[in-house]
Amino acid sequence: DQQVKQNSPSLSVQEGRISILNCDYTNSMFDYFLWYKKYPAEGPTFLISISSIKDKNEDGRFTVFLNKSAKHLSLHIVPSQPGDSAVYFCAGPRAGNNRKLIWGLGTSLAVNP
Amino acid sequence: EPEVTQTPSHQVTQMGQEVILRCVPISNHLYFYWYRQILGQKVEFLVSFYNNEISEKSEIFDDQFSVERPDGSNFTLKIRSTKLEDSAMYFCASSKGSYTEAFFGQGTRLTVV
Repeated sequence: DQQVKQNSPSLSVQEGRISILNCDYTNSMFDYFLWYKKYPAEGPTFLISISSIKDKNEDGRFTVFLNKSAKHLSLHIVPSQPGDSAVYFCAGPRAGNNRKLIWGLGTSLAVNP
Repeated sequence: EPEVTQTPSHQVTQMGQEVILRCVPISNHLYFYWYRQILGQKVEFLVSFYNNEISEKSEIFDDQFSVERPDGSNFTLKIRSTKLEDSAMYFCASSKGSYTEAFFGQGTRLTVV
């Protein structure tokens, strides 16, 4: 059974500091992961992805780390800005031909000025 | 920048009525999806569509649901006889390939009363 778990429903961080959002998965059938950001009343927007053959992917202020042995990934936002306040979803495509995404429950990030 | 658009943004319907949710995917994308999110719950996959046919559907996508691509631009989700538990945010998404990130519309909030 493929599952993606985000165990922290919320996170509060001061502006300028680092935000770390965590995600765990249950088996090794995922071959890449995606992070999506969602503002209220909007659809999820793609943020960054990482392939399972890598352990790090960086894009500006956003870095995703993948620890395959721990089946764990994390999204780092440095420095955090108030506009980063949103719900962040970790998702992985189910193995198979059609790649439907399996989603975590999301973590609500609040960046305080 | 190209985007996925969904209409209407909010639909209120009486239980037992039919609703059609509309989506215009990004024009050069080949894969289309519907997801939904019931308030406070996970984003759930409903169906994927490729090459003018359903390629995968979840257990949620029963006989009450159908999808159609009536022309080259629209992608619709029809719920034949709505139930109270169909109340949710419905997101349409599209992607270039099955291995690339999906881009989401802003969602349609369906409220069944």
